[in-house]
Amino acid sequence: EVQLAESGGGLVQPGGSLRLSCAASGFTFSSYWMTWVRQAPGKGLEWVANIKQDGSDKFYVDSVKGRFTISRDNAKNSLYLQMSSLRAEDTALYYCARDDGKYDYWGQGTLVTVSS
Amino acid sequence: DIVMTQTPLSLSVTPGQPASISCKSSQSLLHSDGKTYLYWYLQKPGQSPQVLIYGVSSRFSGVADRFSGSGSGTDFTLKISRVEAEDVGVYYCKQGIHVPVTFGQGTRLEIK
Repeated sequence: EVQLAESGGGLVQPGGSLRLSCAASGFTFSSYWMTWVRQAPGKGLEWVANIKQDGSDKFYVDSVKGRFTISRDNAKNSLYLQMSSLRAEDTALYYCARDDGKYDYWGQGTLVTVSS
Repeated sequence: DIVMTQTPLSLSVTPGQPASISCKSSQSLLHSDGKTYLYWYLQKPGQSPQVLIYGVSSRFSGVADRFSGSGSGTDFTLKISRVEAEDVGVYYCKQGIHVPVTFGQGTRLEIK
């Protein structure tokens, strides 16, 4: 059974940093692109970043470029999102998703709150 | 960036009646490989999104056949032939042809 489990969310002050993790199981992690999608409270879905199977290609939404870094460790079946210079507008539920184009599996999300 | 515009933003449907959601993209979603990268998702209350339709009209495994997708180029439609109570939630279209991937604003479906 495919499972994705995010962790690492929490309350952080503006300008702070946080590292999100996504533990994958039930499929060959190294064979798939992976994606982060976020959802601000009461709002819609926003694609954040994705990463190629071997980590050689990474893409970001403009609003996080230079502040967020997506990475992966295929040996640990894990996806990461290093977030720095956090802003109030980064407050959201962050989902990881298996990315074969159709985002067929999603985790339950981890909540990031940026507030003083 | 490609803008995805959904209409309506909300709809209230009597069980057993049909429902339709439109999604228009600001650019064509037809790739040179011949595929159209348009997807539909449903986010049920309190849950993560789930894929319903990919490639405009292909139903994902396990999705009820009352859901159907159609369209081409920049105009797409999700239809539910007979709405059931379990269909409540927010429906999103998404384009995957260009980075950044973008979603529509969402359409909230409620049951009358």
